[in-house]
Amino acid sequence: EVQLVQSGPEVKKPGESLKISCKGSRDTFTNYWIAWVRHMPGRGLEWMGIIYPGDSDTRYSPSFQGQVTISADKSISTAYLQWSSLRASDSAIYYCARIVGYCNSPTCPNYFDPWGQGSLVTVSS
Amino acid sequence: QSVLTQPPSVSGAPGQRVTISCTGSSSNIGAGYDVHWYQQLPGTAPKLLMYSNTNRPSGVPDRFSGSKSGSSASLAITGLQAEDEADYFCQSYDSSLSGWVFGGGTKVTVL
Repeated sequence: EVQLVQSGPEVKKPGESLKISCKGSRDTFTNYWIAWVRHMPGRGLEWMGIIYPGDSDTRYSPSFQGQVTISADKSISTAYLQWSSLRASDSAIYYCARIVGYCNSPTCPNYFDPWGQGSLVTVSS
Repeated sequence: QSVLTQPPSVSGAPGQRVTISCTGSSSNIGAGYDVHWYQQLPGTAPKLLMYSNTNRPSGVPDRFSGSKSGSSASLAITGLQAEDEADYFCQSYDSSLSGWVFGGGTKVTVL
């Protein structure tokens, strides 16, 4: 069974930095793109960015460009999402997910499977 | 405001049929991009329920079905069961945004 396992819940103060992780299998991190998705109550799901761990090619949603950094360490099959200075508005659940069939064309399915269990990030003074 | 539009909630009695709509535009669903559906049970992560419009992953009961027409898609649940009470999200890809788009989610309540 393909699985993505994320790091645990975090409670941080505004201005602090944070790096959360997502670990999967060698096959997933060799052959697939990994996405990060934010889920805020009442705001639905939003894709933040993607990374291909094979060569660390990274792409960001315009909404999150400059706000977060996505990275990966292929040798340990782990992807990361990090903030240099958190804000209260960053409080949310963050999911990583494997992308199946990614390309910018209707010929590709472009869906997420599986998802990690989610990492709750709470930013409060 | 989500790019794909879903009703906030639908409800039905056990055994009934409910449908969830997902409306997009000419840059996503209408452009031919597939629609996918996810089920999110309370306190858990989203789970793939339907992929590429009409395909069920292994283990998903056949009382779930999907369809797509033009710039819209639908998820139907026939023979509604208590365990189907969850949030359901549709998702597609958008060529103008060069990225993935989601519906706001629909809460299914079993009466």
